[in-house]
Amino acid sequence: DTAVSQTPKYLVTQMGNDKSIKCEQNLGHDTMYWYKQDSKKFLKIMFSYNNKELIINETVPNRFSPKSPDKAHLNLHINSLELGDSAVYFCASSRMGAGANVLTFGAGSRLTVL
Amino acid sequence: GENVEQHPSTLSVQEGDSAVIKCTYSDSASNYFPWYKQELGKGPQLIIDIRSNVGEKKDQRIAVTLNKTAKHFSLHITETQPEDSAVYFCAASIISGNQFYFGTGTSLTVIP
Repeated sequence: DTAVSQTPKYLVTQMGNDKSIKCEQNLGHDTMYWYKQDSKKFLKIMFSYNNKELIINETVPNRFSPKSPDKAHLNLHINSLELGDSAVYFCASSRMGAGANVLTFGAGSRLTVL
Repeated sequence: GENVEQHPSTLSVQEGDSAVIKCTYSDSASNYFPWYKQELGKGPQLIIDIRSNVGEKKDQRIAVTLNKTAKHFSLHITETQPEDSAVYFCAASIISGNQFYFGTGTSLTVIP
């Protein structure tokens, strides 16, 4: 199946811990994103990478560090987790260039910080 | 930067009725307006989009209209069905760009 896949789907952890969420897309897209969706369903862009290069970096704490080993993968590492980090994190990808830049989302990773 | 507002935040309709969700945007440079549907426990999925050179686009029971002068666009769902129940997001972007500005979402409930 062609898709954006992210793991894990659920993550429950204690405050202060460090955790990672992985994302892979096999759509051949060259741009990948991380979005955060809070309890009110608001979707906020966190980061965007194009061909492994960071192109969007919204106001996100330094505890969040994205890493893109290649254009098919964009992982999110979070240090010193806080209660406010609890949310659903969505990975997405798109193809830049001529034509509409259609976003394809993964199924989400629900992070709960206790 | 772009600011997208979406209304209403919640919407309940009887099965078979129509549903309309409205969005406004602030940046006249935006020229691509996708709509996403998010079902429970899933990621948002593109359902329809419209470019600024078109005033209306239709796909079966779903249609989107765009008024560039007023900077607003709307999603119309006719003959609603229970499976239309979901959260709907509008967005504004620039074609070939990489920044999408999302509305705050509308939770649609279709009552059987």
